[in-house]
Amino acid sequence: ETGVTQSPTHLIKTRGQQVTLRCSSQSGHNTVSWYQQALGQGPQFIFQYYREEENGRGNFPPRFSGLQFPNYSSELNVNALELDDSALYLCASSQPPGTGDADTQYFGPGTRLTVL
Amino acid sequence: AQSVSQHNHHVILSEAASLELGCNYSYGGTVNLFWYVQYPGQHLQLLLKYFSGDPLVKGIKGFEAEFIKSKFSFNLRKPSVQWSDTAEYFCAVSFSGSARQLTFGSGTQLTVLP
Repeated sequence: ETGVTQSPTHLIKTRGQQVTLRCSSQSGHNTVSWYQQALGQGPQFIFQYYREEENGRGNFPPRFSGLQFPNYSSELNVNALELDDSALYLCASSQPPGTGDADTQYFGPGTRLTVL
Repeated sequence: AQSVSQHNHHVILSEAASLELGCNYSYGGTVNLFWYVQYPGQHLQLLLKYFSGDPLVKGIKGFEAEFIKSKFSFNLRKPSVQWSDTAEYFCAVSFSGSARQLTFGSGTQLTVLP
């Protein structure tokens, strides 16, 4: 069984640029959530995708957007990058609602984004 | 807004010592509770979880946690730590009606001295 995978591993961008991060969910999981983990802090929820639609959003501005594809993989897009966007971006997947383990999220290794 | 607090930011123990890491949350409704661990250079891994039933839950690697509803707490324990338990530990909570999003504490860095 393949776990959650993310690409790229590391990324360096400059302020004002745009970035796209990618996530493949664990086999059998159709819900994907994205989190931002700043240095020394716990992950913060950005948004969740289920059935290709946004299904909940945290306190992040609209320049953070996402997509989910029919194969349940997902993208996180961040426009107009700011220095404070430097963080580890985590993707987590979970089983469909109503299944036994639907409330458990399994995390990928993350993408380390540095904004200069 | 709901929040999760981990009061110990850095804990240093010797091998074989007992461990207890605190976690408190602010919400009076139904919650699901989790402890995740992040070993150096690795991704977040699930240690244990509580949804309902017996408030004492056992996880992997000898860890356990107790849910005390009246204290809004979900403390993590291990009777005897090993050097390999050195890691960062995160408590996380999902609150009813929150689309299963997780709210994390700020984490506790555990260092176990050999």
